[in-house]
Amino acid sequence: EAGVAQSPRYKIIEKRQSVAFWCNPISGHATLYWYQQILGQGPKLLIQFQNNGVVDDSQLPKDRFSAERLKGVDSTLKIQPAKLEDSAVYLCASSLVGGIANTGELFFGEGSRLTVL
Amino acid sequence: AQRVTQPEKLLSVFKGAPVELKCNYSYSGSPELFWYVQYSRQRLQLLLRHISRESIKGFTADLNKGETSFHLKKPFAQEEDSAMYYCALPTSGSRLTFGEGTQLTVNP
Repeated sequence: EAGVAQSPRYKIIEKRQSVAFWCNPISGHATLYWYQQILGQGPKLLIQFQNNGVVDDSQLPKDRFSAERLKGVDSTLKIQPAKLEDSAVYLCASSLVGGIANTGELFFGEGSRLTVL
Repeated sequence: AQRVTQPEKLLSVFKGAPVELKCNYSYSGSPELFWYVQYSRQRLQLLLRHISRESIKGFTADLNKGETSFHLKKPFAQEEDSAMYYCALPTSGSRLTFGEGTQLTVNP
């Protein structure tokens, strides 16, 4: 089966510009996650969706980050305006309903690497 | 606070040697713990979960509640085991929290 798809793979922008990342989860996976992975650190959850509803966005910097999951399938993550410290890999992952509670398995995309100059 | 700690950022062993990647956790209650792995140029993927008590690619991990640890072990390391390993713990509901990771290098 097709895995989690993300685009773009790489993006270079200047600070104060905006950027958007797209994610298409595995078909049938109701739960979608966006993680931020800064170089040398483990992934950190930004936002979690269950279908098209937000389950957890407590670690999302809402003054500059936004995310949506229209129709409960694809999702976009936007940063506006970007700061130097936003340079990271943005990972999208998906899981079956109640993924962690049931199996603990998240399926990750290849990630979108953002460089802010 | 619920957290997971991997004390070693880098670990280097020779092929055929035993390997142990350390993971310590802080959690109130009965934790579920996982090991994820990222091979070079591949996606982050689940390696094993403690609840399954399984052995994957020769790796095992035992939950030690007394020491609050979930170390990943393999008796004979192979070169293809070289990868980044992350210990993970569900916190604050269903949020999966990852450790900082350990880069394992298995030398020939």
